[in-house]
Amino acid sequence: AQTVTQSQPEMSVQEAETVTLSCTYDTSESDYYLFWYKQPPSRQMILVIRQEAYKQQNATENRFSVNFQKAAKSFSLKISDSQLGDAAMYFCAYRSPRGTASKLTFGTGTRLQVTL
Amino acid sequence: DTEVTQTPKHLVMGMTNKKSLKCEQHMGHRAMYWYKQKAKKPPELMFVYSYEKLSINESVPSRFSPECPNSSLLNLHLHALQPEDSALYLCASSSGTGIGYTFGSGTRLTVV
Repeated sequence: AQTVTQSQPEMSVQEAETVTLSCTYDTSESDYYLFWYKQPPSRQMILVIRQEAYKQQNATENRFSVNFQKAAKSFSLKISDSQLGDAAMYFCAYRSPRGTASKLTFGTGTRLQVTL
Repeated sequence: DTEVTQTPKHLVMGMTNKKSLKCEQHMGHRAMYWYKQKAKKPPELMFVYSYEKLSINESVPSRFSPECPNSSLLNLHLHALQPEDSALYLCASSSGTGIGYTFGSGTRLTVV
């Protein structure tokens, strides 16, 4: 079974600064998908960024980028120019490519605080 | 329409009540999911429907009964719940494994 580990329960960053959230995972599969989701106090899980394991190039979405190290099974999220609206719970997630309805396995989450 | 709509947003029910949670999407997604999320914890998978058929039941107690009447609608019927079932219940849908899920905003359930 796949497992996802987020070792930082809480992180804090000043507005306009850069922060990196860590995620490691364990799997025996060679092909899979990785995601970062954001959950603000409004509760809705919002997809931030996705990475396909067969792609070596790191995904980027505006101020959000990942550092995907497949051999090390590491998938960290970098948030640049942090904004107050980035404050939320961030979950790293893994998904097997098998089947349309494969499950999403979440890490335990990292709560990000953004200070002035 | 790129949303998953969940109703109600909040629900308080007694342990002897019967209630239902509703989830709807019109994105043509053929997989739909129910997750349970306790405070400060990640979501935990409960059920998966694929093409309107139940494909995964994560050993959920029978007091939770899912139903998928059509490709756009997913229900979760609740009966004789316990206070420890109080949680945020999230519905999600997906069209393929690489796309990720689209989540609804959840139903905050309190069992008294």
